[in-house]
Amino acid sequence: DADVTQTPRNRITKTGKRIMLECSQTKGHDRMYWYRQDPGLGLRLIYYSFDVKDINKGEISDGYSVSRQAQAKFSLSLESAIPNQTALYFCATSESGRTTPEKLFFGSGTQLSVL
Amino acid sequence: EDKVVQSPLSLVVHEGDTVTLNCSYEVTNFRSLLWYKQEKKAPTFLFMLTSSGIEKKSGRLSSILDKKELFSILNITATQTGDSAVYLCAGVNAGGTSYGKLTFGQGTILTVHP
Repeated sequence: DADVTQTPRNRITKTGKRIMLECSQTKGHDRMYWYRQDPGLGLRLIYYSFDVKDINKGEISDGYSVSRQAQAKFSLSLESAIPNQTALYFCATSESGRTTPEKLFFGSGTQLSVL
Repeated sequence: EDKVVQSPLSLVVHEGDTVTLNCSYEVTNFRSLLWYKQEKKAPTFLFMLTSSGIEKKSGRLSSILDKKELFSILNITATQTGDSAVYLCAGVNAGGTSYGKLTFGQGTILTVHP
């Protein structure tokens, strides 16, 4: 079983629809992240959470919201999807602490297409 | 704003060749630089570098960091078709609320032909 599980794996939707991407993890990590990947732009941070009560905006949070329902669950919502939100979305986790908090473990990604 | 730039953006080689991938960074409160390999979907961790001049090695892959010139290189010797992937580097900001936050480069697409 995957340690970081994203659902759905693929999603096609229409402009204006509300979409939720879900992420769950069994690694016991406190920190969870949402990234999007576009060709030629690498991975860009949307939101991150260092614990259940801590939510922070990343560099491209406009048009997105998140919910940290539990330590193991972190969902990403697009309130009103638009075509330029078509991308590959990754959830990631990492351990808190001062040793290697930046070593990320990624889910398999959700390919989202907004028509 | 933190920035990480990788070069080349794509590279095509034949099995057995040696390749060098480059990563330059401008990261405030720099803590570390990481390399990831992305084959199909999920990136997987390769190396984390925090000190200048200390080479990290794993089989045919090695990496080194230069904190004075703000860059890192990833070397792959005797390449194999299984090395074909996107290689991502990321700089880590260690300051304040950004502690542990990564900024990724665009990635280098490596294609190894038989």
